[in-house]
Amino acid sequence: AQSVTQLDSHVSVSEGTPVLLRCNYSSSYSPSLFWYVQHPNKGLQLLLKYTSAATLVKGINGFEAEFKKSETSFHLTKPSAHMSDAAEYFCVVSVGATGGTSYGKLTFGQGTILTVHP
Amino acid sequence: GAVVSQHPSWVICKSGTSVKIECRSLDFQATTMFWYRQFPKQSLMLMATSNEGSKATYEQGVEKDKFLINHASLTLSTLTVTSAHPEDSSFYICSASGGNYGYTFGSGTRLTVV
Repeated sequence: AQSVTQLDSHVSVSEGTPVLLRCNYSSSYSPSLFWYVQHPNKGLQLLLKYTSAATLVKGINGFEAEFKKSETSFHLTKPSAHMSDAAEYFCVVSVGATGGTSYGKLTFGQGTILTVHP
Repeated sequence: GAVVSQHPSWVICKSGTSVKIECRSLDFQATTMFWYRQFPKQSLMLMATSNEGSKATYEQGVEKDKFLINHASLTLSTLTVTSAHPEDSSFYICSASGGNYGYTFGSGTRLTVV
């Protein structure tokens, strides 16, 4: 079984300050991990993904995440927040699916709402 | 990059009627489609998984006779909510996967049953 826990339901930062969104996972096998962003009443946009290659993953819009197996964590960071970063972020885990012809189920965390103050 | 088009973006229907939601992969062949439901201020819950040409696999607790899923081609999957009731009001999102494309999400459909 696999699961994801996002440790903060809400995070509030000032524009220009660093962002840290925390995620811990549980998986019996080597997981694939993703971070998605969702703006209100919109679909999900992929920020970045980890698929057993480099542990430090760089994504779009200046976001990056580090896979730490010993801590079972995959925290999302950004050095400097922009107002446009305000949205809901989901940490997602999948087992047995890294692309190609096989796609496993995704398990979503509960989501973290990021608020950015001017 | 991969694009998934989901229509309609919002729909209001009367209780007891049926609503069909379409999910199309525009520039790749989607061998697998996933349908999710998202209640307000909650995360996405997987409803069912469908592979092209096969019957959908539903998650526990999801009524297959109420949520009909068809994946007749490599670019189109549909979700039909039959005999809709107010408790079916929710945000429905599809995700398509195929080839070297991972999971590409549609923009979602806001269903309101009155």
